[in-house]
Amino acid sequence: DVKVTQSSRYLVKRTGEKVFLECVQDMDHENMFWYRQDPGLGLRLIYFSYDVKMKEKGDIPEGYSVSREKKERFSLILESASTNQTSMYLCASSLAGSSYNEQFFGPGTRLTVL
Amino acid sequence: GQQLNQSPQSMFIQEGEDVSMNCTSSSIFNTWLWYKQDPGEGPVLLIALYKAGELTSNGRLTAQFGITRKDSFLNISASIPSDVGIYFCAGQLSGTASKLTFGTGTRLQVTL
Repeated sequence: DVKVTQSSRYLVKRTGEKVFLECVQDMDHENMFWYRQDPGLGLRLIYFSYDVKMKEKGDIPEGYSVSREKKERFSLILESASTNQTSMYLCASSLAGSSYNEQFFGPGTRLTVL
Repeated sequence: GQQLNQSPQSMFIQEGEDVSMNCTSSSIFNTWLWYKQDPGEGPVLLIALYKAGELTSNGRLTAQFGITRKDSFLNISASIPSDVGIYFCAGQLSGTASKLTFGTGTRLQVTL
């Protein structure tokens, strides 16, 4: 079974703090994704990466950056957290190739910015 | 980014009833996926569909890839309390390899 783990289930930070969310997958997947999930808005793609050191902006990248130094690890960084970044953050991974679109999700990190 | 139109938004049903939900779009999709999310957890993949017209079952769940490639349906038969959760459809648009577009979810609540 694919396993995607996220470093924290719950996180509380203060406005202006730098925040790191870590995601690790153990199935050698090429693609990794970061989403945020808000009530009524569904899942929105922040960034994704299709290879080590490669990244591409999603639909809502403003205020976020990412890092992929190793294939299994994809980090989401909030350079200066703001209250409107309070949300549920979900990491996912998938195999490369058009025949493999199934994304597997981690348990999520619920971030509260005070 | 584009969102899929998913309906209904929420459902209250009695245990033992069958459930139907669907997703529609004005665009053509190459893949349709259905996920379930329990409260406080990440979405879990239920069914993946790759061909127009494909009908696939997973236990009490059955999903279909619409013939026009612009819609998909999920049916749950004989619902039980553990079916409670939010169900999401997701599709891969033609020409957007690897990225998925998600529906806004159907919240299912089951009463005994």
